[in-house]
Amino acid sequence: AQSVTQLDSQVPVFEEAPVELRCNYSSSVSVYLFWYVQYPNQGLQLLLKYLSGSTLVKGINGFEAEFNKSQTSFHLRKPSVHISDTAEYFCAVSEALNSGYALNFGKGTSLLVTP
Amino acid sequence: DTAVSQTPKYLVTQMGNDKSIKCEQNLGHDTMYWYKQDSKKFLKIMFSYNNKELIINETVPNRFSPKSPDKAHLNLHINSLELGDSAVYFCASSQMVAVTDTQYFGPGTRLTVL
Repeated sequence: AQSVTQLDSQVPVFEEAPVELRCNYSSSVSVYLFWYVQYPNQGLQLLLKYLSGSTLVKGINGFEAEFNKSQTSFHLRKPSVHISDTAEYFCAVSEALNSGYALNFGKGTSLLVTP
Repeated sequence: DTAVSQTPKYLVTQMGNDKSIKCEQNLGHDTMYWYKQDSKKFLKIMFSYNNKELIINETVPNRFSPKSPDKAHLNLHINSLELGDSAVYFCASSQMVAVTDTQYFGPGTRLTVL
């Protein structure tokens, strides 16, 4: 089974500072990676995904991620965060399961942006 | 325009009761899912249906029974509720059964078993 590991459970950062949320994946021939955000008491929203092609993926709300095959990483970055970016961030890999596909999530990283 | 909706949003009940959670998507997708998020925010797949057919059934107690009356609806019925069933349950949908497909999530149903 494919898996992802989110290396930081909590990341505190000041407003307007840059941030990087780390995600490593288990090595595989083909890997399809996603970053989702969960704002407090809400569902999950897709930030961006890597399927193939360019290793730099741009998403919504100014986020981007870089797929690095040699380091088996897919870190999420934002150059300048806002208070409103405070949320839980999940890295996930899509994997085959029974007769379908499901997302296998990391344990999440809680981003706390303070003034 | 709510893409994936769930009812109820909150559900508080006693141990031993039976309850249902409903999910509807208006995206025209063929595939729907149930995920469970525990108290540590860990998300895990429970079930998936494609066009009313069960295609994923993970190691879930058989007290949990999903039902898909049509491809726009996926319900989750839970019998004999236990304390450990307390969690947030998320419904999701995707256009088809594909490893690359994006899954769209509902707002979640927070189940509390007393």
